[in-house]
Amino acid sequence: AQSVAQPEDQVNVAEGNPLTVKCTYSVSGNPYLFWYVQYPNRGLQFLLKYITGDNLVKGSYGFEAEFNKSQTSFHLKKPSALVSDSALYFCAVRENYGGSQGNLIFGKGTKLSVKP
Amino acid sequence: ETGVTQTPRHLVMGMTNKKSLKCEQHLGHNAMYWYKQSAKKPLELMFVYSLEERVENNSVPSRFSPECPNSSHLFLHLHTLQPEDSALYLCASSQDGSPQETQYFGPGTRLLVL
Repeated sequence: AQSVAQPEDQVNVAEGNPLTVKCTYSVSGNPYLFWYVQYPNRGLQFLLKYITGDNLVKGSYGFEAEFNKSQTSFHLKKPSALVSDSALYFCAVRENYGGSQGNLIFGKGTKLSVKP
Repeated sequence: ETGVTQTPRHLVMGMTNKKSLKCEQHLGHNAMYWYKQSAKKPLELMFVYSLEERVENNSVPSRFSPECPNSSHLFLHLHTLQPEDSALYLCASSQDGSPQETQYFGPGTRLLVL
């Protein structure tokens, strides 16, 4: 069965510092990996995804994520955090069954707090 | 967020009421989804529709009844709900049901069951 783990409930960083939000996954086949962000009282906004190809994926708002197959990780990163990046971040995985669809499984979320 | 809209944004209902949540997508997608987001729990997939046919029903209680009249609209009919059903209900859509397709979410309906 596929699963996603976000080991940190909360990440605190100072504005201007680099940030990392961790995500590890478990699937039996090839994974499709996604990051979403949720601001207060809003729905989830898509940030980026890994399907195939280059392990470093660049997305919206200066975020990027690196797919590491050996460590089964897909950590979200940003070189310089902004106060406006403060939000709830969700990692999600979907298993490639070779054409048939699998459900999108979400982690429990990590709250990012960026202080001025 | 204008790609996927949801109404109402907030709803308070008693356990004996009947209400409906509405979702509309303006992205030309063929697959639509209902999720439940409760505090301290991961998002739970409830229903999936692809080309207006239900393809997934994740053991959701019968007091939740989905309806997809066309590829742009999705409803969630609610009746005799329980207080533990209070949550944020999110609608999403994707181009099709393929695993690599991105799901785009609406702003959600915040439901409180008294």
